[in-house]
Amino acid sequence: NAGVTQTPKFQVLKTGQSMTLQCAQDMNHNSMYWYRQDPGMGLRLIYYSASEGTTDKGEVPNGYNVSRLNKREFSLRLESAAPSQTSVYFCASSERRDRGNQPQHFGDGTRLSIL
Amino acid sequence: GDSVTQMEGPVTLSEEAFLTINCTYTATGYPSLFWYVQYPGEGLQLLLKATKADDKGSNKGFEATYRKETTSFHLEKGSVQVSDSAVYFCALSEGPSYDKVIFGPGTSLSVIP
Repeated sequence: NAGVTQTPKFQVLKTGQSMTLQCAQDMNHNSMYWYRQDPGMGLRLIYYSASEGTTDKGEVPNGYNVSRLNKREFSLRLESAAPSQTSVYFCASSERRDRGNQPQHFGDGTRLSIL
Repeated sequence: GDSVTQMEGPVTLSEEAFLTINCTYTATGYPSLFWYVQYPGEGLQLLLKATKADDKGSNKGFEATYRKETTSFHLEKGSVQVSDSAVYFCALSEGPSYDKVIFGPGTSLSVIP
């Protein structure tokens, strides 16, 4: 019953360092998403992947890259971390939305601080 | 573009009080509408949904009705409990692909004994 698993749960980086946030889902979902959550701003979509092998930019993609490694895994990479990227990052997955009534399933988040 | 507006919080209620969290949306077509809940330290989880006009979604005592004429999807509960303290997000997704979900800013609810 794992659902969506994110690693790590917490991370502190120095400005300029790089790191990759990992996400895996075991529900055989086609679509996967990366969001960031900042106080007073709700969730903002960074990148999403509608199916294995495809990725698309969301609302705030600058400074990030993604890889849809296979159907299960969708990683988010910060090449050169900046303090503005301090946030809580959520990965989510969903069934293919042909009818639009399939909810997103979220991981517990990665709390990232950039010093 | 599509958007979701929620009443600003935080909202503080006493246990057993009636809850309403307002949500209105802007969309070009016929979106599906959702309420998600986020408990402290956790990710969002689906609370309820509605996919067409006049549908009522319900779960755990919470209800919301899809009102196309007023473009609203207000969340209600007749008697809140301390365990309902969380952040509530209204959201929509729209065709043709429904791949993207638009979230509102969230409304923080605190229920005091």
